[in-house]
Amino acid sequence: GAVVSQHPSRVICKSGTSVKIECRSLDFQATTMFWYRQFPKKSLMLMATSNEGSKATYEQGVEKDKFLINHASLTLSTLTVTSAHPEDSSFYICSARRSSTNEKLFFGSGTQLSVL
Amino acid sequence: DAKTTQPTSMDCAEGRAANLPCNHSTISGNEYVYWYRQIHSQGPQYIIHGLKNNETNEMASLIITEDRKSSTLILPHATLRDTAVYYCIYSGGSNYKLTFGKGTLLTVNP
Repeated sequence: GAVVSQHPSRVICKSGTSVKIECRSLDFQATTMFWYRQFPKKSLMLMATSNEGSKATYEQGVEKDKFLINHASLTLSTLTVTSAHPEDSSFYICSARRSSTNEKLFFGSGTQLSVL
Repeated sequence: DAKTTQPTSMDCAEGRAANLPCNHSTISGNEYVYWYRQIHSQGPQYIIHGLKNNETNEMASLIITEDRKSSTLILPHATLRDTAVYYCIYSGGSNYKLTFGKGTLLTVNP
């Protein structure tokens, strides 16, 4: 089956620094990628929709200047958490879909971010 | 936002069938029902999806009611490794995003 690779799987950073998370579709071209975050024992919360070659669409309440998303190619989307604070500590998960809106989503393995 | 209703938790004996229900009464005609599961600290894993016909694959079967307002995911022979949170979601057409609800924590007991 299709594979979505997410890197890094775990990152610890100091407050005020920026962290970049990469999401790659390994064997298909993903015109749309989605970024989620998940707090312990909670469900996944959609943060933004990333479309190749255009600006990301953010969900209500998600700060676009804090969570920078770049989808420069059909196989790579990145999420940069800027000026990270301890409350940004969370599990971040990306997903990718082929062109059809009825295609299933393939998920990355997630990135556990801990901000000290 | 697309909303589904699932029981918070369920238990199942190892080797028995696990039947996980989901209500999606506001689903529209061109929206698919998707099932995913998530094992602790991992990304969600796709299980199955369908529009209106029942579906079966190597992992599970999906039974969708005729009015499409509910569905049941069936794991025919549950194993301990099937312990996970199972999410039922619908999406498609103009609502192409997958919005996750709280899911059902399925615990398979020895």
